Amino acid sequence: AQTVTQSQPEMSVQEAETVTLSCTYDTSESDYYLFWYKQPPSRQMILVIRQEAYKQQNATENRFSVNFQKAAKSFSLKISDSQLGDAAMYFCAYRTSTGTASKLTFGTGTRLQVTL
Amino acid sequence: DTGVSQDPRHKITKRGQNVTFRCDPISEHNRLYWYRQTLGQGPEFLTYFQNEAQLEKSRLLSDRFSAERPKGSFSTLEIQRTEQGDSAMYLCASSPGLAGINEQFFGPGTRLTVL
Repeated sequence: AQTVTQSQPEMSVQEAETVTLSCTYDTSESDYYLFWYKQPPSRQMILVIRQEAYKQQNATENRFSVNFQKAAKSFSLKISDSQLGDAAMYFCAYRTSTGTASKLTFGTGTRLQVTL
Repeated sequence: DTGVSQDPRHKITKRGQNVTFRCDPISEHNRLYWYRQTLGQGPEFLTYFQNEAQLEKSRLLSDRFSAERPKGSFSTLEIQRTEQGDSAMYLCASSPGLAGINEQFFGPGTRLTVL
C-alpha cells in the first residue's frame, strides 16, 4: 500500500518570503500522480498543483512550484512571495495511474502560518 | 453549477442514532468519492463510485456504513448506530471519468459530532 509522509506539522513564513513544505511517499509503482491540496480554515480543499510521475519537468503554477525527485520519492512544495491568503493546511496526496482505482492517499498535512 | 455541494454542513447526533449525508457532485462528473477526515489528520478514503457502480470500498467502511449513488448523480452516505468514534468531517469529491490525471474537486464537508 502507498503511504505519504509529511514530517512538518507546522511551518511559519513571513509575508513575501519563500517557504518549502516537504513530502515523501512510498510506492512500488512507476507511474502515478502527486498533488498538493490547500485547505483554508473552515473552507473546502482546493488543488494547488499536480505532477505526473512520468514527467521529469517540475510543475509550476504561478507562485507555487514543486521539486519532484522520483528516485528519492520526494515531492516538496515551494511557495514564493508568500501572502496572508496562503495560510492554510497543506496536504500532499498520491494517486495511482493504473486501473480504475482513483482514490487519493493523503499525508497528515502541514499547517502554514504567514506572518507580517 | 458552482461546485460540489454537501448537506447538511453540520450534524450533531446522539450515540446510537442513524445519520445520512448527501453529496451533489459537479454536473457530468461521473466519479464520486467519499473521504473521512478526523482532527489533525489528512482525509482517508472511504468509497468511490463510477456512475452508479460502487467500485471500491475501504476497510474503514464498516458494516454500519453504507453509500449509494442510485442514479449516478447525487450520493448518500448513511451511518447506522453511530459511535463517538464516527465524529469527523465527511468529505465528498467528484471528478470527470476521463483517462489521465483527473483532478478531484472537493465539497465543503459535513461535520459530524456524536455525543
